Amino acid sequence: DTGVSQDPRHKITKRGQNVTFRCDPISEHNRLYWYRQTLGQGPEFLTYFQNEAQLEKSRLLSDRFSAERPKGSFSTLEIQRTEQGDSAMYLCASTLQGTYEQYFGPGTRLTVT
Amino acid sequence: GEDVEQSLFLSVREGDSSVINCTYTDSSSTYLYWYKQEPGAGLQLLTYIFSNMDMKQDQRLTVLLNKKDKHLSLRIADTQTGDSAIYFCAESPNNAGNMLTFGGGTRLMVKP
Repeated sequence: DTGVSQDPRHKITKRGQNVTFRCDPISEHNRLYWYRQTLGQGPEFLTYFQNEAQLEKSRLLSDRFSAERPKGSFSTLEIQRTEQGDSAMYLCASTLQGTYEQYFGPGTRLTVT
Repeated sequence: GEDVEQSLFLSVREGDSSVINCTYTDSSSTYLYWYKQEPGAGLQLLTYIFSNMDMKQDQRLTVLLNKKDKHLSLRIADTQTGDSAIYFCAESPNNAGNMLTFGGGTRLMVKP
């Protein structure tokens, strides 16, 4: 078991560009979560999937953000027309439905210049 | 809505015990968690407690839950310099999705 992995670890982009991040959960975990963490704050929930279905979205997830999990395994989070306020650490977590331990990946740090 | 509060900073000497405190407002919280985050890294799950428990012990870690006061604490015995990190309290409300609401984190500094 290699744990939750995220790619890339760091991304620097210019304002207005689109970016996409990938998360690979622990292999048997059917729930996958995205959180955002800004500097000096705790993580905030963005969205989660159960298998391939996106079941909940936070109001933090503006229409510039879209997440997918097409085959119920890895997930992608895309941000269109990035803004400086999108600069943050994007964290992915996974769990097995019916259990209560969420395991986090190392995160993708996004810097929008 | 849910709110989780933590003090910002705690400094202890190596070998002492550390106690990190957390308060939450959602009375329907089902599970409460402690995570550790080292610089530039993701979150490491340390322990969690179900809301019908008062205490949970796991090696050097002791979690105490006062459900009446909505107060959670994490005690680290024999604190080591490797324990220096940010500690986050999180709660999971009684919903099917188990989305976590985090506090702002407590930075623990362990002095040799």
